[in-house]
Amino acid sequence: DAKTTQPPSMDCAEGRAANLPCNHSTISGNEYVYWYRQIHSQGPQYIIHGLKNNETNEMASLIITEDRKSSTLILPHATLRDTAVYYCIVRVPESGANSKLTFGKGITLSVRP
Amino acid sequence: ETGVTQTPRHLVMGMTNKKSLKCEQHLGHNAMYWYKQSAKKPLELMFVYSLEERVENNSVPSRFSPECPNSSHLFLHLHTLQPEDSALYLCASSHQQGLNYEQYFGPGTRLTVT
Repeated sequence: DAKTTQPPSMDCAEGRAANLPCNHSTISGNEYVYWYRQIHSQGPQYIIHGLKNNETNEMASLIITEDRKSSTLILPHATLRDTAVYYCIVRVPESGANSKLTFGKGITLSVRP
Repeated sequence: ETGVTQTPRHLVMGMTNKKSLKCEQHLGHNAMYWYKQSAKKPLELMFVYSLEERVENNSVPSRFSPECPNSSHLFLHLHTLQPEDSALYLCASSHQQGLNYEQYFGPGTRLTVT
């Protein structure tokens, strides 16, 4: 799996958009970008994933640059409950044993009142 | 989210004890995983089961013994653990086939070895 780099932390004000960056300059053509988050003392939670088009779901939006070397996860209206560690992972979605996820250190998002 | 449940949520055990962690998924998935998360460290994959067969053992010591009796249940049997094994143990599941391979995690078992 390609390596990703994320800043260690960032904060944003409640109600504002949180834009979480991720660099994946060595991503290969068949690798997807996945985002998970882990709220303190809980298991990780899947957020969103994409290949090259921008994606949006009820939780967030994923913006992938045209060269696919970086992406941004956008939480449009951050709440205090969004405070968590956010992991950006690039991988080929495969079945069985190849479905394993390799987590890095992630970025700690702190949402302030 | 109750798709993946884990019991117990907290466990304190001595180094000579034998205990088991249980994971159950209600999502119809057929791949299951054990991860370990130590303080200040990223998640580490321990074991992968696909269709009830172990397909990966990520160099885990033999004092950790997984068991997958069916596609909905996964156990982690623990014996003669060390204090450094204290960590959050997370179970996850995913579809084996199809386009949706996202992993869904349980809440974890916080293990303390004394």
